Amino acid sequence: DVVLTQTPVSLSVTLGDQASISCRSSQSLEYSDGYTYLEWYLQKPGQSPQLLIYGVSNRFSGVPDRFIGSGSGTDFTLKISRVEPEDLGVYYCFQATHDPLTFGSGTKLEIK
Amino acid sequence: EVQLQESGPGLVKPSQSLSLTCSVTGYSITSNYWGWIRKFPGNKMEWMGYISYSGSTSYNPSLKSRISITRDTSKNQFFLQLNSVTTEDTATYYCARSHWETPFDYWGQGVMVTVSS
Repeated sequence: DVVLTQTPVSLSVTLGDQASISCRSSQSLEYSDGYTYLEWYLQKPGQSPQLLIYGVSNRFSGVPDRFIGSGSGTDFTLKISRVEPEDLGVYYCFQATHDPLTFGSGTKLEIK
Repeated sequence: EVQLQESGPGLVKPSQSLSLTCSVTGYSITSNYWGWIRKFPGNKMEWMGYISYSGSTSYNPSLKSRISITRDTSKNQFFLQLNSVTTEDTATYYCARSHWETPFDYWGQGVMVTVSS
Protein backbone atom coordinates (compact mmCIF):
# COMPACT_ATOMS: atom_id res chain seq x y z
CA ASP A 1 0.00 0.00 0.00
CA VAL A 2 1.07 3.58 -0.62
CA VAL A 3 2.09 5.26 2.62
CA LEU A 4 1.52 8.99 2.90
CA THR A 5 3.66 10.61 5.59
CA GLN A 6 2.44 13.97 6.77
CA THR A 7 4.55 16.45 8.69
CA PRO A 8 4.24 18.04 11.11
CA VAL A 9 1.83 16.01 13.21
CA SER A 10 0.55 19.22 14.77
CA LEU A 11 0.96 22.89 14.04
CA SER A 12 0.22 25.95 16.16
CA VAL A 13 -0.16 29.12 14.12
CA THR A 14 -0.86 32.76 14.89
CA LEU A 15 -3.88 34.21 13.14
CA GLY A 16 -2.79 35.88 9.94
CA ASP A 17 0.39 33.84 9.60
CA GLN A 18 1.14 31.14 7.04
CA ALA A 19 0.94 27.40 7.70
CA SER A 20 2.60 24.70 5.65
CA ILE A 21 1.93 20.95 5.67
CA SER A 22 4.02 18.36 3.89
CA CYS A 23 2.82 15.04 2.46
CA ARG A 24 5.40 12.58 1.23
CA SER A 25 4.38 9.44 -0.65
CA SER A 26 6.15 6.09 -0.67
CA GLN A 27 5.53 5.89 -4.43
CA SER A 28 5.04 8.36 -7.24
CA LEU A 29 1.43 9.49 -7.45
CA GLU A 30 1.49 10.28 -11.16
CA TYR A 31 -0.92 7.96 -12.90
CA SER A 32 -0.31 6.48 -16.33
CA ASP A 33 -2.64 9.10 -17.83
CA GLY A 34 -0.36 11.85 -16.51
CA TYR A 35 -2.80 12.97 -13.83
CA THR A 36 -1.80 13.02 -10.17
CA TYR A 37 -4.59 11.97 -7.85
CA LEU A 38 -3.47 13.76 -4.70
CA GLU A 39 -6.08 15.53 -2.63
CA TRP A 40 -6.25 17.48 0.61
CA TYR A 41 -9.12 17.38 3.08
CA LEU A 42 -9.90 19.34 6.23
CA GLN A 43 -11.93 17.92 9.06
CA LYS A 44 -13.13 20.71 11.29
CA PRO A 45 -14.16 19.85 14.87
CA GLY A 46 -17.52 18.09 14.92
CA GLN A 47 -17.81 18.03 11.14
CA SER A 48 -17.25 15.61 8.30
CA PRO A 49 -14.09 15.92 6.20
CA GLN A 50 -14.35 18.41 3.37
CA LEU A 51 -12.45 18.45 0.10
CA LEU A 52 -10.08 21.41 -0.21
CA ILE A 53 -7.71 20.57 -3.05
CA TYR A 54 -7.89 17.98 -5.81
CA GLY A 55 -5.37 16.99 -8.44
CA VAL A 56 -2.50 18.49 -6.38
CA SER A 57 -3.36 22.13 -6.88
CA ASN A 58 -7.02 22.67 -7.84
CA ARG A 59 -9.24 24.29 -5.26
CA PHE A 60 -12.64 22.70 -4.82
CA SER A 61 -15.75 24.85 -5.17
CA GLY A 62 -15.98 27.52 -2.48
CA VAL A 63 -12.46 26.99 -1.10
CA PRO A 64 -10.70 30.32 -0.48
CA ASP A 65 -7.61 31.13 -2.49
CA ARG A 66 -5.65 31.19 0.78
CA PHE A 67 -5.32 27.43 0.31
CA ILE A 68 -2.58 26.52 -2.15
CA GLY A 69 -1.56 23.01 -3.10
CA SER A 70 1.64 22.16 -4.89
CA GLY A 71 4.06 19.36 -5.61
CA SER A 72 4.68 16.44 -7.89
CA GLY A 73 5.80 12.84 -7.88
CA THR A 74 6.18 11.94 -4.23
CA ASP A 75 6.37 15.33 -2.49
CA PHE A 76 3.39 17.59 -1.93
CA THR A 77 2.63 20.66 0.15
CA LEU A 78 -0.45 22.45 1.34
CA LYS A 79 0.08 26.09 2.24
CA ILE A 80 -2.49 28.18 4.06
CA SER A 81 -1.72 31.85 3.87
CA ARG A 82 -3.23 34.27 6.37
CA VAL A 83 -4.64 31.59 8.70
CA GLU A 84 -8.14 32.35 9.97
CA PRO A 85 -10.00 30.90 12.97
CA GLU A 86 -12.17 28.66 10.76
CA ASP A 87 -9.05 26.91 9.42
CA LEU A 88 -8.49 24.92 12.59
CA GLY A 89 -8.94 21.18 12.40
CA VAL A 90 -7.16 18.13 11.06
CA TYR A 91 -5.75 18.17 7.52
CA TYR A 92 -5.32 14.98 5.53
CA CYS A 93 -3.64 14.26 2.26
CA PHE A 94 -5.11 11.43 0.22
CA GLN A 95 -4.09 9.51 -2.87
CA ALA A 96 -6.35 7.83 -5.42
CA THR A 97 -3.62 6.87 -7.89
CA HIS A 98 -2.87 3.45 -6.46
CA ASP A 99 -5.17 0.78 -5.10
CA PRO A 100 -5.97 0.72 -2.23
CA LEU A 101 -6.69 4.39 -1.81
CA THR A 102 -4.94 5.75 1.24
CA PHE A 103 -4.97 8.75 3.56
CA GLY A 104 -2.11 10.46 5.31
CA SER A 105 -1.90 10.31 9.07
CA GLY A 106 -3.25 13.82 9.56
CA THR A 107 -1.93 17.19 10.72
CA LYS A 108 -3.75 19.04 13.48
CA LEU A 109 -3.80 22.80 13.03
CA GLU A 110 -4.32 24.83 16.16
CA ILE A 111 -4.60 28.56 16.54
CA LYS A 112 -2.22 30.21 19.00
CA GLU B 1 -27.35 19.92 -3.87
CA VAL B 2 -25.93 16.49 -3.17
CA GLN B 3 -26.68 15.27 0.33
CA LEU B 4 -25.74 11.98 1.97
CA GLN B 5 -26.99 10.57 5.25
CA GLU B 6 -25.73 7.48 7.03
CA SER B 7 -27.98 5.41 9.26
CA GLY B 8 -27.60 2.23 11.25
CA PRO B 9 -27.01 0.86 14.72
CA GLY B 10 -24.48 2.59 16.90
CA LEU B 11 -23.61 -0.56 18.82
CA VAL B 12 -22.68 -3.96 17.39
CA LYS B 13 -21.55 -7.05 19.26
CA PRO B 14 -18.24 -8.71 18.43
CA SER B 15 -18.46 -11.41 15.74
CA GLN B 16 -21.72 -9.95 14.40
CA SER B 17 -22.25 -7.95 11.23
CA LEU B 18 -22.26 -4.19 10.93
CA SER B 19 -24.84 -2.87 8.46
CA LEU B 20 -25.13 0.76 7.43
CA THR B 21 -27.25 2.61 4.90
CA CYS B 22 -26.33 5.74 2.99
CA SER B 23 -29.32 7.65 1.65
CA VAL B 24 -28.53 10.08 -1.15
CA THR B 25 -30.61 13.04 -2.26
CA GLY B 26 -29.99 15.56 -5.00
CA TYR B 27 -28.00 13.18 -7.20
CA SER B 28 -28.47 9.74 -8.69
CA ILE B 29 -26.23 6.94 -7.50
CA THR B 30 -26.31 5.59 -11.06
CA SER B 31 -23.70 8.26 -11.77
CA ASN B 32 -20.20 8.49 -10.32
CA TYR B 33 -18.83 6.40 -7.46
CA TRP B 34 -20.07 6.00 -3.92
CA GLY B 35 -17.75 5.07 -1.13
CA TRP B 36 -17.38 4.21 2.51
CA ILE B 37 -14.59 5.65 4.64
CA ARG B 38 -14.04 5.24 8.35
CA LYS B 39 -12.16 7.21 10.96
CA PHE B 40 -10.80 5.37 13.95
CA PRO B 41 -10.45 6.89 17.43
CA GLY B 42 -7.47 9.19 17.02
CA ASN B 43 -6.92 10.47 13.49
CA LYS B 44 -6.46 7.42 11.30
CA MET B 45 -8.70 7.36 8.23
CA GLU B 46 -9.29 4.29 6.08
CA TRP B 47 -10.91 3.94 2.67
CA MET B 48 -13.10 0.85 2.83
CA GLY B 49 -14.47 0.54 -0.68
CA TYR B 50 -16.88 1.90 -3.24
CA ILE B 51 -19.64 0.96 -5.61
CA SER B 52 -19.67 2.45 -9.08
CA TYR B 53 -22.43 3.90 -11.23
CA SER B 54 -22.73 0.48 -12.90
CA GLY B 55 -22.82 -1.48 -9.67
CA SER B 56 -19.27 -2.78 -9.78
CA THR B 57 -17.37 -2.69 -6.54
CA SER B 58 -13.83 -2.20 -5.29
CA TYR B 59 -12.71 -2.99 -1.78
CA ASN B 60 -9.71 -2.35 0.38
CA PRO B 61 -7.83 -5.66 0.42
CA SER B 62 -7.46 -5.36 4.19
CA LEU B 63 -11.24 -5.88 4.40
CA LYS B 64 -11.89 -7.91 1.28
CA SER B 65 -13.07 -11.06 2.98
CA ARG B 66 -15.47 -9.24 5.31
CA ILE B 67 -16.93 -6.33 3.33
CA SER B 68 -19.80 -6.00 0.93
CA ILE B 69 -21.16 -2.82 -0.65
CA THR B 70 -24.49 -3.02 -2.44
CA ARG B 71 -27.14 -0.58 -3.61
CA ASP B 72 -30.84 -0.04 -4.24
CA THR B 73 -31.16 2.35 -7.14
CA SER B 74 -34.93 2.62 -6.71
CA LYS B 75 -34.37 4.17 -3.29
CA ASN B 76 -31.12 5.92 -4.23
CA GLN B 77 -29.36 4.20 -1.36
CA PHE B 78 -26.21 2.19 -0.98
CA PHE B 79 -25.19 -0.09 1.83
CA LEU B 80 -22.21 -1.31 3.80
CA GLN B 81 -22.00 -4.71 5.40
CA LEU B 82 -18.95 -5.65 7.43
CA ASN B 83 -18.91 -9.15 8.82
CA SER B 84 -17.23 -10.68 11.85
CA VAL B 85 -16.56 -7.35 13.50
CA THR B 86 -14.14 -6.92 16.38
CA THR B 87 -13.46 -4.06 18.73
CA GLU B 88 -10.94 -2.81 16.18
CA ASP B 89 -13.84 -1.92 13.88
CA THR B 90 -15.01 0.71 16.34
CA ALA B 91 -14.97 3.92 14.29
CA THR B 92 -17.00 6.70 12.75
CA TYR B 93 -18.26 5.56 9.36
CA TYR B 94 -18.80 7.99 6.51
CA CYS B 95 -20.35 7.59 3.11
CA ALA B 96 -19.21 9.90 0.34
CA ARG B 97 -19.60 10.60 -3.35
CA SER B 98 -16.54 10.29 -5.54
CA HIS B 99 -15.99 11.76 -8.97
CA TRP B 100 -12.94 10.68 -10.95
CA GLU B 101 -11.56 14.22 -10.76
CA THR B 102 -12.76 15.16 -7.28
CA PRO B 103 -12.59 12.12 -5.02
CA PHE B 104 -14.95 12.22 -2.05
CA ASP B 105 -16.29 15.66 -2.76
CA TYR B 106 -19.51 15.23 -0.76
CA TRP B 107 -19.75 13.44 2.58
CA GLY B 108 -22.42 12.34 4.99
CA GLN B 109 -22.32 13.52 8.58
CA GLY B 110 -20.97 10.18 9.78
CA VAL B 111 -22.26 7.55 12.19
CA MET B 112 -20.29 6.39 15.18
CA VAL B 113 -20.27 2.61 15.57
CA THR B 114 -18.98 0.92 18.69
CA VAL B 115 -18.21 -2.77 18.73
CA SER B 116 -18.67 -4.04 22.24
CA SER B 117 -20.33 -6.88 24.09
